[in-house]
Amino acid sequence: DTGVSQNPRHKITKRGQNVTFRCDPISEHNRLYWYRQTLGQGPEFLTYFQNEAQLEKSRLLSDRFSAERPKGSFSTLEIQRTEQGDSAMYLCASSPRVRRSGNTIYFGEGSWLTVV
Amino acid sequence: AQTVTQSQPEMSVQEAETVTLSCTYDTSESDYYLFWYKQPPSRQMILVIRQEAYKQQNATENRFSVNFQKAAKSFSLKISDSQLGDAAMYFCAYHPGGGADGLTFGKGTHLIIQP
Repeated sequence: DTGVSQNPRHKITKRGQNVTFRCDPISEHNRLYWYRQTLGQGPEFLTYFQNEAQLEKSRLLSDRFSAERPKGSFSTLEIQRTEQGDSAMYLCASSPRVRRSGNTIYFGEGSWLTVV
Repeated sequence: AQTVTQSQPEMSVQEAETVTLSCTYDTSESDYYLFWYKQPPSRQMILVIRQEAYKQQNATENRFSVNFQKAAKSFSLKISDSQLGDAAMYFCAYHPGGGADGLTFGKGTHLIIQP
């Protein structure tokens, strides 16, 4: 069990560029979540996958944000035409499939994005 | 929509003493889970303790325990015998029991441990 892995850990990009973050969940974890955390705030839920199906995406911040999990394993979060307000830490988390929701959710170390 | 409120932006405690962090939440659901997460300066979110709403017994994990008051929608965290390594941001979080959704977090409490 190597934990939830996120890459890159830090990304500096110019405004208007596209960025992509990758998340490798704990093996055999069916559920995968993306969150955004800005300084001084708690994480904000963005989207959620069960296997390859994206079951919740209404919380994605705008149509510039998209996420995929093509084979039900790793996931990517892409931000197109970045803006300075997108500067934040992007957290990935995973949990095992259980009949009742609410099982322990494990977080990665996050990917810091700075838009200049 | 559910909300989570942490009314203490910062708390300070002497090493070896006990401290209680407050959390209240608002939900219309009867089935849900509550969590306390710790986020040290390294920024990785670490689970401290969880509570199932259908359980009346308060959860305990070593020096960490909760006071879960379902009717009052209150979920406080007690840290006994505080250690320097407990210094971190602490977040209270809510997760609905039946639905496919993410955690809703409070704004966090910054815990300072005085040696």
